[in-house]
Amino acid sequence: EILLTQSPDTLSLSPGERATLSCRASQILSSNFLAWYQQKPGQAPRLLIYGASIRAIGVPDRFSGGGFGTDFTLTISRLEPEDFAVYYCQQYGSSFTFGPGTKVDRK
Amino acid sequence: QVTLRESGPALVKPTQTLTLTCTFSGFSLNTFGTCVSWVRQPPGKAPEWLAVIDWDGETLYSTSLKTRLSLSKDTSKNQVVLTMANMDPVDTARYYCVRQDSSGYFPDWGLGTLVTVSS
Repeated sequence: EILLTQSPDTLSLSPGERATLSCRASQILSSNFLAWYQQKPGQAPRLLIYGASIRAIGVPDRFSGGGFGTDFTLTISRLEPEDFAVYYCQQYGSSFTFGPGTKVDRK
Repeated sequence: QVTLRESGPALVKPTQTLTLTCTFSGFSLNTFGTCVSWVRQPPGKAPEWLAVIDWDGETLYSTSLKTRLSLSKDTSKNQVVLTMANMDPVDTARYYCVRQDSSGYFPDWGLGTLVTVSS
């Protein structure tokens, strides 16, 4: 089973700042099968990025994904008030597993 | 527009079998490449994938839970049914029905249904 770790656990930032979130896989992910989700309290996760770097429909371009192999990043170029949430990565290269999440909260 | 809605009991007792139904619209589980998964999320924790059924009726289950899970579909009703046997308090979670891309990511989620396991 491919395990995912995310860092940091919590990122405390202010609106307008840049956020960089990391996701590391225990094995190389074939074809960069890595997705990112945003989850706000009381809501279901929302797909942001798939294929490591492809934005889902309707996702603002301040969200970008990168990386390959075992190391991936989600970058939010300038935080908007609605971006404070928990972010999960998910691999689909071998079965399907989620990372433990990174919480982005207001400083 | 894709919608998915979960239904089932909010409370089950330990050792009982949980049955959840997903009713969806906006896509057909007869269409090549279409899949529906169940994902659960305990309070305050990360999501956990449970099982998937595809357009051809093929199923795949989480390795750690496969002995307790069963998935079926009723294409005429646009429904997928999940059963989980021998429920335990650690199975307390919100259970989501999710449309899964054939590659494996999850574009569309239901609102989820909270299931509490307690005597």
